[in-house]
Amino acid sequence: DQQVKQNSPSLSVQEGRISILNCDYTNSMFDYFLWYKKYPAEGPTFLISISSIKDKNEDGRFTVFLNKSAKHLSLHIVPSQPGDSAVYFCAAQSSNTGTASKLTFGTGTRLQVTL
Amino acid sequence: GAVVSQHPSRVICKSGTSVKIECRSLDFQATTMFWYRQFPKQSLMLMATSNEGSKATYEQGVEKDKFLINHASLTLSTLTVTSAHPEDSSFYICRGGTGGLAGELFFGEGSRLTVL
Repeated sequence: DQQVKQNSPSLSVQEGRISILNCDYTNSMFDYFLWYKKYPAEGPTFLISISSIKDKNEDGRFTVFLNKSAKHLSLHIVPSQPGDSAVYFCAAQSSNTGTASKLTFGTGTRLQVTL
Repeated sequence: GAVVSQHPSRVICKSGTSVKIECRSLDFQATTMFWYRQFPKQSLMLMATSNEGSKATYEQGVEKDKFLINHASLTLSTLTVTSAHPEDSSFYICRGGTGGLAGELFFGEGSRLTVL
């Protein structure tokens, strides 16, 4: 039972354009969401997060949008750069109360930013 | 930033042998360590959660006698795959932290295990 789904295994975007990565979830108890970026042979690194009390969080070129009614979130990268080429994982948890907690991950989307 | 160092990055072993994977927190004390496994084209799946000085908590379906987790110190956690079989071939990765927000926990580099 895949509770966090990233239905697009890959995405190709031209440099300078917007990259939109999508993520859907089924568990209504999830209230905190994170995006991770992973390069080959490295562990995932935290990128940006959003709490369910918000519908948008922005950090530089990265913006995450949350639509709770649709159980959908998306990561926007603008402008996209070649260095953004990586696998992006969406993750969710049921609490963000300040304790180390379990995450449920999506299967990842491989982003390729072309020149 | 904080770093979790994981070794070995790749290991190939014969069926029936045991393999130990180590995760060290280099500049912080990891009170909690999560161990994940990822099969090809699948998501990271949590195997177990360990807290320093206590027994690990395993997720449903994960054999605790097969995947031995030791978290004897605040800077070292180990996962031992005992009597490995080809179906144990996978990517194993740890994630550690001090109990802060989820985004403040750090992944190791991962270990790819291939059992022949």
